[in-house]
Amino acid sequence: DGGITQSPKYLFRKEGQNVTLSCEQNLNHDAMYWYRQDPGQGLRLIYYSQIVNDFQKGDIAEGYSVSREKKESFPLTVTSAQKNPTAFYLCASSPHPTSGATGQETQYFGPGTRLLVL
Amino acid sequence: AQTVTQSQPEMSVQEAETVTLSCTYDTSESDYYLFWYKQPPSRQMILVIRQEAYKQQNATENRFSVNFQKAAKSFSLKISDSQLGDAAMYFCAYRSKGAQKLVFGQGTRLTINP
Repeated sequence: DGGITQSPKYLFRKEGQNVTLSCEQNLNHDAMYWYRQDPGQGLRLIYYSQIVNDFQKGDIAEGYSVSREKKESFPLTVTSAQKNPTAFYLCASSPHPTSGATGQETQYFGPGTRLLVL
Repeated sequence: AQTVTQSQPEMSVQEAETVTLSCTYDTSESDYYLFWYKQPPSRQMILVIRQEAYKQQNATENRFSVNFQKAAKSFSLKISDSQLGDAAMYFCAYRSKGAQKLVFGQGTRLTINP
């Protein structure tokens, strides 16, 4: 089955701790994204990556870091510098926006990770 | 910067009836994409329908259709023959052509009454 997986489903962070959220896709998509969703709000972009070993900041990158060592994987680390990390985190992927592939403009989402602070 | 506005925080409809969710957006661009995503209680974002701005024909997907008014910058979603499984948060989203970011509205919570 092709799709996007995120783990864990729930994650608890202690004060001053870094935590890493996993995102894997087997859709052969070039681009991957991380969004944050706060209660009653839409999604906001944290980071995105169009190709391996390259990524760019989104609108709310402060306190977060990412890596893209493999096409299939785009982990997000929530660092201790992120003072209000409690939120729902969604990973998405899409074909490269200039690939010419059908649906290149569409982002497909994983099931999400709920991060809570202890 | 582009913005997306959903003016209806909540809507409800009787099962089997039709409901329309509103979305307006602000952009100076002429080529872009618009989407409706559904977020059920599981919280996974599921694509409902997409529209390419250069296409005048309104997109349809089974019971879901849109009314795309480019000049008015309006992109409403019509759900026909509403079913209990349609209950969810619905988000309207905008994406510039060639851009990476989806810009989301605040969402509309849809309740289906049996």
